[in-house]
Amino acid sequence: DAGVTQSPTHLIKTRGQQVTLRCSPKSGHDTVSWYQQALGQGPQFIFQYYEEEERQRGNFPDRFSGHQFPNYSSELNVNALLLGDSALYLCASSFGRTGGYTFGSGTRLTVV
Amino acid sequence: GENVEQHPSTLSVQEGDSAVIKCTYSDSASNYFPWYKQELGKGPQLIIDIRSNVGEKKDQRIAVTLNKTAKHFSLHITETQPEDSAVYFCAASAYYGGSQGNLIFGKGTKLSVKP
Repeated sequence: DAGVTQSPTHLIKTRGQQVTLRCSPKSGHDTVSWYQQALGQGPQFIFQYYEEEERQRGNFPDRFSGHQFPNYSSELNVNALLLGDSALYLCASSFGRTGGYTFGSGTRLTVV
Repeated sequence: GENVEQHPSTLSVQEGDSAVIKCTYSDSASNYFPWYKQELGKGPQLIIDIRSNVGEKKDQRIAVTLNKTAKHFSLHITETQPEDSAVYFCAASAYYGGSQGNLIFGKGTKLSVKP
């Protein structure tokens, strides 16, 4: 039983560019959340998708957008990258309304 | 908004000793409190969680206690082993729109278990 799968594992982008990160949830899970984890900090909530709609959003600018597909997989898009966007981006999946979030290993994004 | 504070930021114990990590939260609506273990280069792994209708929960060497009145919860690891060395995060979550909402994390505790 595969857990949460994220791709790519590492990514280097230049300031001003755009990036797309991908997540496949754990089998049986239908809800996907995205978190940003800066070095030495706890993860910070970006947004959550359920039934292909953004259900909840954290305090992140509109440069951060997402999408959920009918198979429950999800993408995180970041436009106009800033140096401060360098972080580990984590995807977490869960089933329905119950919580019990399972995290992937993350995508390490470096903006230069 | 919710704020979660976690102490200590670093903790060093001898193998076989116990380790305790404490967290406080600010939002009285929070009703779900998970603990995650994060090893280097990996994502957070859920190790135990507790809901607000329960005061204590135990799973082998790991236990969590919750004091709703004081708004604090703690992780207890007994008989620590070197493989327990990692960063531990507490988190809190409230219902949002009828569903369990996002997790608010503490800043983490780096636990080192010396053989």
